[in-house]
Amino acid sequence: TQLLEQSPQFLSIQEGENLTVYCNSSSVFSSLQWYRQEPGEGPVLLVTVVTGGEVKKLKRLTFQFGDARKDSSLHITAAQPGDTGLYLCAGGWGGYNKLIFGAGTRLAVHP
Amino acid sequence: EAEVAQSPRYKITEKSQAVAFWCDPISGHATLYWYRQILGQGPELLVQFQDESVVDDSQLPKDRFSAERLKGVDSTLKIQPAELGDSAMYLCASSIDRGGETQYFGPGTRLLVL
Repeated sequence: TQLLEQSPQFLSIQEGENLTVYCNSSSVFSSLQWYRQEPGEGPVLLVTVVTGGEVKKLKRLTFQFGDARKDSSLHITAAQPGDTGLYLCAGGWGGYNKLIFGAGTRLAVHP
Repeated sequence: EAEVAQSPRYKITEKSQAVAFWCDPISGHATLYWYRQILGQGPELLVQFQDESVVDDSQLPKDRFSAERLKGVDSTLKIQPAELGDSAMYLCASSIDRGGETQYFGPGTRLLVL
């Protein structure tokens, strides 16, 4: 059974701080996706990484896929209140690229 | 910008009643997914359609849940009878390709079973 563990579960920081959240598994995935979800809404895709060791940057967000394609990290530089939300990682596997989601990291950025 | 539409947004029902949720994917998207998200957890895939065919329903509780996508466009997810443990957010997503690397989610239907 493929499982994705995200850490930390909760993170409360001040505006301007940097943070890193992690997504780990013992399974190999064909792709790894990061989503952000706001209360009462569906998840919104931030990035997809498919190559081991791949690093992608999206403004202040940096995503990395582990060399063995089993883990990933999301680093946010100079966090802003607008970054507040639930960050979900999802691993793709199988012929139809079924997504397995982690439980998420709930981030609160205070002004 | 095209979006996945879902209705209703909220549903309150009593246990043993029947409920149904509707999803209209982005036009042209062949693959449609239904997920269930329990509070504090990530979404879990219930069923995946490729056009009108089910390609994965391994996590769908088939004794009470059913899903259809008759014309390969919009889809309905039904629960009968609803149980207290079915209280959750039900999310629909669609992707243009079979590989589903980019899935676009709708706003979800939040179900509360009393």
